[in-house]
Amino acid sequence: GENVEQHPSTLSVQEGDSAVIKCTYSDSASNYFPWYKQELGKGPQLIIDIRSNVGEKKDQRIAVTLNKTAKHFSLHITETQPEDSAVYFCAARAFGNEKLTFGTGTRLTIIP
Amino acid sequence: ETGVTQSPTHLIKTRGQQVTLRCSSQSGHNTVSWYQQALGQGPQFIFQYYREEENGRGNFPPRFSGLQFPNYSSELNVNALELDDSALYLCASSFRPRGNTGELFFGEGSRLTVL
Repeated sequence: GENVEQHPSTLSVQEGDSAVIKCTYSDSASNYFPWYKQELGKGPQLIIDIRSNVGEKKDQRIAVTLNKTAKHFSLHITETQPEDSAVYFCAARAFGNEKLTFGTGTRLTIIP
Repeated sequence: ETGVTQSPTHLIKTRGQQVTLRCSSQSGHNTVSWYQQALGQGPQFIFQYYREEENGRGNFPPRFSGLQFPNYSSELNVNALELDDSALYLCASSFRPRGNTGELFFGEGSRLTVL
């Protein structure tokens, strides 16, 4: 089955700097890659996603890149703000498969 | 538009008991998925319900079962609770036309503690 690895497990950046979180996946059939943000005591919130027919997608300060050949995808957050502090999860899913496989999460801390 | 709502938010059970968790899907969504999130881990897929039938199941034993109702709401039932069942149980809804499941939107979760 699919296996998703996520790095780093913790990340601290100064406010205003950029943060990058990387994930690799094992199943070449995976074609959908969402990113979720989870704040303390809350459920995961979808922040951006990308499908395998696209190499990059951007939404304001957040961008995701996908390298299908290397089977890895990354989340980029620019101009970080204190409210970006949370746990971020990457995930992958293959077409026709109902299961979303999550990474182990990255705890991002923005230092004021 | 209402989001995904789950109840109860917190509950405590003892080993061997049974528990039922409830979920109301987001307006316009017809598919419900359940995930288990242990402390410090990513969510793990339990199963999905579409058209009131189980449609895909993760690596969970049969004592984890569910239902989906005609209004697309859902229940997760866990029998013979074990200590390792302590976790945050997340419900996610999505809209599934033909083919693949769309984006998943999660509720706030039900935190289950088994003593």
